[in-house]
Amino acid sequence: SQKIEQNSEALNIQEGKTATLTCNYTNYSPAYLQWYRQDPGRGPVFLLLIRENEKEKRKERLKVTFDTTLKQSLFHITASQPADSATYLCALDGSSNTGKLIFGQGTTLQVKP
Amino acid sequence: NAGVTQTPKFQVLKTGQSMTLQCAQDMNHNSMYWYRQDPGMGLRLIYYSASEGTTDKGEVPNGYNVSRLNKREFSLRLESAAPSQTSVYFCASSEVVSSGGYTFGSGTRLTVV
Repeated sequence: SQKIEQNSEALNIQEGKTATLTCNYTNYSPAYLQWYRQDPGRGPVFLLLIRENEKEKRKERLKVTFDTTLKQSLFHITASQPADSATYLCALDGSSNTGKLIFGQGTTLQVKP
Repeated sequence: NAGVTQTPKFQVLKTGQSMTLQCAQDMNHNSMYWYRQDPGMGLRLIYYSASEGTTDKGEVPNGYNVSRLNKREFSLRLESAAPSQTSVYFCASSEVVSSGGYTFGSGTRLTVV
């Protein structure tokens, strides 16, 4: 069956450290993968998109990798800050070129000062 | 700078009542989506509209209907609400998803008693 898996356990790290979140998928062949941030009581906010032919993408303190062989994406936040505390969702295109995204359940990140 | 606007923000319904959730976007996006978000289940696609005049079912369409009234507006109707439809509903819009992400509304928190 098709699955997208993110660690359901919250990730707790100290301010200034690098946070690494994992997204694994099964039985999909996505052309791209996206990452979103969601704060409590708010809608998700788009952060980054990475295509299947891209190994790595960066935006300020954010870095995303995409390994289509391992069927995995890693999301890194360097020099993390308490303001980075939120739930992070990965999403991929479930069927080619329809624009429909399939979302993982999200991982909650807590950055402690 | 409104983006995606959803109304209402909160609603309590009795079992069997009907209601329509409204969504409007001002970004001239072609595609619009309705998702529901439940604890432990992540975001699940209810219906989507790839362009004005077209709608299609997502993963969990039962008990819902949609109308793409024009390019800006995409409404979701519950004809006979059930407790299982208690959830947070998000509307989203996008242009070409392979180059950018969804823009989400702030959500409607619906409780069916």
